[in-house]
Amino acid sequence: AQSVAQPEDQVNVAEGNPLTVKCTYSVSGNPYLFWYVQYPNRGLQFLLKYITGDNLVKGSYGFEAEFNKSQTSFHLKKPSALVSDSALYFCAVRPSGSARQLTFGSGTQLTVLP
Amino acid sequence: DAGVIQSPRHEVTEMGQEVTLRCKPISGHDYLFWYRQTMMRGLELLIYFNNNVPIDDSGMPEDRFSAKMPNASFSTLKIQPSEPRDSAVYFCASRPWAGQNTEAFFGQGTRLTVV
Repeated sequence: AQSVAQPEDQVNVAEGNPLTVKCTYSVSGNPYLFWYVQYPNRGLQFLLKYITGDNLVKGSYGFEAEFNKSQTSFHLKKPSALVSDSALYFCAVRPSGSARQLTFGSGTQLTVLP
Repeated sequence: DAGVIQSPRHEVTEMGQEVTLRCKPISGHDYLFWYRQTMMRGLELLIYFNNNVPIDDSGMPEDRFSAKMPNASFSTLKIQPSEPRDSAVYFCASRPWAGQNTEAFFGQGTRLTVV
């Protein structure tokens, strides 16, 4: 079975500071990993994905994520947080070469304080 | 493309009534997903279709829930009869086949309240 853990329900960071939202996963074989963001009363928006290749993936709005196979992690990062980054962030995983669909984490509420 | 379109955006209904949620996927996308989001259970995959055919409905909570996809541009999720515990935000998403590494695109959701 595949699973995703987002150990922090809430992350607070000051504007201008770097942010990290943590994600670890469990999957058979190689993973496809995704980050989505959800703003209030909106659907999920795709941020970035890791499929293969470079472990550092760059995505929308200045976000990036680093795939670490040994630690089975895919943490989301941004060098300098904006108040407008405040939202709910979801990590998701799917095993490569499988018909299984995405499994989402429980989400992390990011609040960037002015 | 306008993206995945869901209707209605909000639905308030009385317990026991039938509720129908609608979704128009992005044109050309082969997969369509129905998710439910609640505070307690997070995002749950209810059912998904590939080329209009239901592939996995193991996430559908009860027989009161049913989903159809009569053509490539339309899907419905029906709850009959509805119960208060069905109150949630229901999302539809679609993605192209183009290999298993493509991301899904989500609609804005339908907020269902059953009173």
